[in-house]
Amino acid sequence: ETGVTQSPTHLIKTRGQQVTLRCSSQSGHNTVSWYQQALGQGPQFIFQYYREEENGRGNFPPRFSGLQFPNYSSELNVNALELDDSALYLCASEKSGRGYNEQFFGPGTRLTVL
Amino acid sequence: DQQVKQNSPSLSVQEGRISILNCDYTNSMFDYFLWYKKYPAEGPTFLISISSIKDKNEDGRFTVFLNKSAKHLSLHIVPSQPGDSAVYFCAASFTGNQFYFGTGTSLTVIP
Repeated sequence: ETGVTQSPTHLIKTRGQQVTLRCSSQSGHNTVSWYQQALGQGPQFIFQYYREEENGRGNFPPRFSGLQFPNYSSELNVNALELDDSALYLCASEKSGRGYNEQFFGPGTRLTVL
Repeated sequence: DQQVKQNSPSLSVQEGRISILNCDYTNSMFDYFLWYKKYPAEGPTFLISISSIKDKNEDGRFTVFLNKSAKHLSLHIVPSQPGDSAVYFCAASFTGNQFYFGTGTSLTVIP
């Protein structure tokens, strides 16, 4: 149990629609990262938010966007859904400090795009 | 382009024996490496890490070895237990905020 929760657990959308996924971080964790894990692959970094500002982005198009709120929750928004967006989406929170910090992952949201 | 690779999708080991999981990377800028363990329907859980200034790090039954010249790291689990059955991911970073993950190795420990 990492204390990181995600909602919803599963979601089915159709191509072209928009989706919002939610993550609730551990209290005091000021950094959240989002990952996409396609079937048979490892998690791929989408972006990270630190104190409500984007703090690094992977190789994902602008239709992937995020928000982080002062209450340690965050959102991942995906516009104009494509079939290849079908994946498990993971969020991971950490308390940033000097050096590398342990990330605590949520259980993920399984998104299916039809 | 996959910068972190786990070439063995699966591994089966008898209980009590050693499990060795391997990981290769291509980017010499990586300076921090981690192993995560993932059970079905759960997110990855941090297991053990190693900085590039070290070549070995131990935590109980788990030891990670880093060979920088070969760009290779391995995770040793001794002795293996049935509860260790899970998918193991290695990950690497050089920026502190972006981690590159391998594709995972599914470990089955046979009682």
